[in-house]
Amino acid sequence: GAVVSQHPSWVICKSGTSVKIECRSLDFQATTMFWYRQFPKQSLMLMATSNEGSKATYEQGVEKDKFLINHASLTLSTLTVTSAHPEDSSFYICSARARGPSYNEQFFGPGTRLTVL
Amino acid sequence: DQQVKQNSPSLSVQEGRISILNCDYTNSMFDYFLWYKKYPAEGPTFLISISSIKDKNEDGRFTVFLNKSAKHLSLHIVPSQPGDSAVYFCAASARYGGSQGNLIFGKGTKLSVKP
Repeated sequence: GAVVSQHPSWVICKSGTSVKIECRSLDFQATTMFWYRQFPKQSLMLMATSNEGSKATYEQGVEKDKFLINHASLTLSTLTVTSAHPEDSSFYICSARARGPSYNEQFFGPGTRLTVL
Repeated sequence: DQQVKQNSPSLSVQEGRISILNCDYTNSMFDYFLWYKKYPAEGPTFLISISSIKDKNEDGRFTVFLNKSAKHLSLHIVPSQPGDSAVYFCAASARYGGSQGNLIFGKGTKLSVKP
């Protein structure tokens, strides 16, 4: 149980284009989903937190107009990188948290490697 | 200002010996701690956790120790196996306060277990 998938697993795009990354909880309802970014040899940096049906909460320094997050259902959240630039190239990872006893446990997706040329 | 610190970026251990990964935190509001294991180009996988009401939690070869007064926790792996080679992230959360229980991660320690 507690499987989280991400799609695509990798994407290469041209500078200026937009890229959408999907995050799905496959066998549980995720009341909260998180989006992280990891640069090489760095920690996982939380970008934003989204609760189903409400607006995402962005961490300081993360541009909400550039990183659009939609959490339309209890099993799906999307991250759209708008007008991507080479400095947005990174490893993007989502995680999902269910309501209940495992309140503090997050289950991570496999990540999406974004390369912007 | 790093709230969760893993001061050793790497650790090399011989197969069969004990691996000890350390983590320090600064926020006294943290009351739940987790260890994640991560392989390259994959998402982290949950390994073991501990609540602040305990000082030890054991699961098979993995044991996490928590020293609240020192704001320090450690992960012990014994015996270490080559398949344990990965990056280990320490994470902490506070159930109360403005963080909503979000996880704060350390920078990770890369463990290499040599056969």
